[in-house]
Amino acid sequence: EVQLVESGGGLVKPGGSLRLSCAASGFTFGSFSMNWVRQAPGKGPEWVSSISSSSTYKYYADSVKGRFTISRDNAKNTLYLQMNSLRIEDTAVYYCASRDSGRNWFDPWGQGTPVTVSS
Amino acid sequence: QSVLTQPPSVSGAPGQRVTISCTGSTSNIGAGYDVHWYQQLPGTAPKLLIHGNIHRPSGVPDRFSGSKSGTSASLAIAGLQAEDEADYYCQSYDNSLSGSNWVFGGGTKLTVL
Repeated sequence: EVQLVESGGGLVKPGGSLRLSCAASGFTFGSFSMNWVRQAPGKGPEWVSSISSSSTYKYYADSVKGRFTISRDNAKNTLYLQMNSLRIEDTAVYYCASRDSGRNWFDPWGQGTPVTVSS
Repeated sequence: QSVLTQPPSVSGAPGQRVTISCTGSTSNIGAGYDVHWYQQLPGTAPKLLIHGNIHRPSGVPDRFSGSKSGTSASLAIAGLQAEDEADYYCQSYDNSLSGSNWVFGGGTKLTVL
């Protein structure tokens, strides 16, 4: 069974940092592009970042560029998101999602990990 | 404000057919990029419902269908059932200079009366 399990979310003060992880199983992790997508309360999903299968290409939404860093460890089947200089508007549930290289849809998604930025 | 525009809500009685629209622009849907649809049940993650405008992943009932024309796309749900009550999101790819690559609609809440 294909499974993505996020962890690392929590409550952090503005300006703080968090590192999210996403453990993958049930598929050939190293063959797929991986992504972080977030969803603020009551809002639609927002794409955050994407990394190619071999980490050659990394992309970021303007809203997080320079503050967030995506990475992956194919030996450990794990995706990461290092989030620095967090802002109140970064508050959301963060999902990791797989994307077949060359395709533009996300499937599957993990269950999400909540991040709350508040003083 | 989302790059793709959806109606905030739609409703229908059991057995009826409803459609949800998704309007984009010449930098995303109108540029030829495919539209994908997701269903999000309360308290769960989005789940892929339609990909490549019209294709249903394995396990998705054929009551769900998608279409695309010009700068817009639509999701149709026939024979509404109570378990279809959920939020629905469209998604595409955008090649403008705004910095966003993959873009979503703001979502449509479907209420089964």
